[in-house]
Amino acid sequence: QVQLQESGPGLVKPSQTLSLTCSVSGGSISRDSFYWTWIRQPAGKELEWIGRIYTSGTTHYNPSLVSRVSISADRSKNQFSLHLSSVTAADTAVYYCVREKGWELLLDYWGQGIPVTVSS
Amino acid sequence: QSLLTQAPSASGAPGQSVTIFCSGSDSNIGGNPVNWYQHFPRTAPKLLIFTDYQRPSGVPDRFSGSKSGTSASLAITGLHSDDEAIYFCATWDDTLSGWVFGGGTNLTVL
Repeated sequence: QVQLQESGPGLVKPSQTLSLTCSVSGGSISRDSFYWTWIRQPAGKELEWIGRIYTSGTTHYNPSLVSRVSISADRSKNQFSLHLSSVTAADTAVYYCVREKGWELLLDYWGQGIPVTVSS
Repeated sequence: QSLLTQAPSASGAPGQSVTIFCSGSDSNIGGNPVNWYQHFPRTAPKLLIFTDYQRPSGVPDRFSGSKSGTSASLAITGLHSDDEAIYFCATWDDTLSGWVFGGGTNLTVL
């Protein structure tokens, strides 16, 4: 059973960089055909796809965030990370890390989410 | 404004059935598989239906999915009190080149 767990600071100051890590157990992030994805949900709003990283290291980002977002992977630790720069209050949300079966267009395993508040 | 539209709430009595709808467009539902999730607050969303109508192992057959054109639906029969949750749809959007999600339907079992 694959499990994902988000970690990182729950409070980030405006203009700083939000950094979160997702630890994966029960499966290797180096395994072919999976994307490792970040999704967020501001309070009272719908889910928003942030971006993803493939086994090869190829990344894809939401066009609305591409200038501020970076996703990387540390295969030795079986983790992948999100970095979102120049944050504002609009980036306050619950952030989820998710496994995507690329060839099936399926988001199958989700973390429980981590709330992040942007405030001074 | 979400690219996938869901009613914010739905309800039904124990034992009854309810259907939750998800409306999109040709660039998302019309051309890509739809997945449905059950979400309890502060927990990981759980996959209920994938590729429009398929159930992962362990999901009861009380849950079923279907799709027609640019709309998809999730039907739940024999409602239980522990079905009270938020249900949302998700699919790939070819214009965005990314995932899009419904706003979620909050199901109440009366």
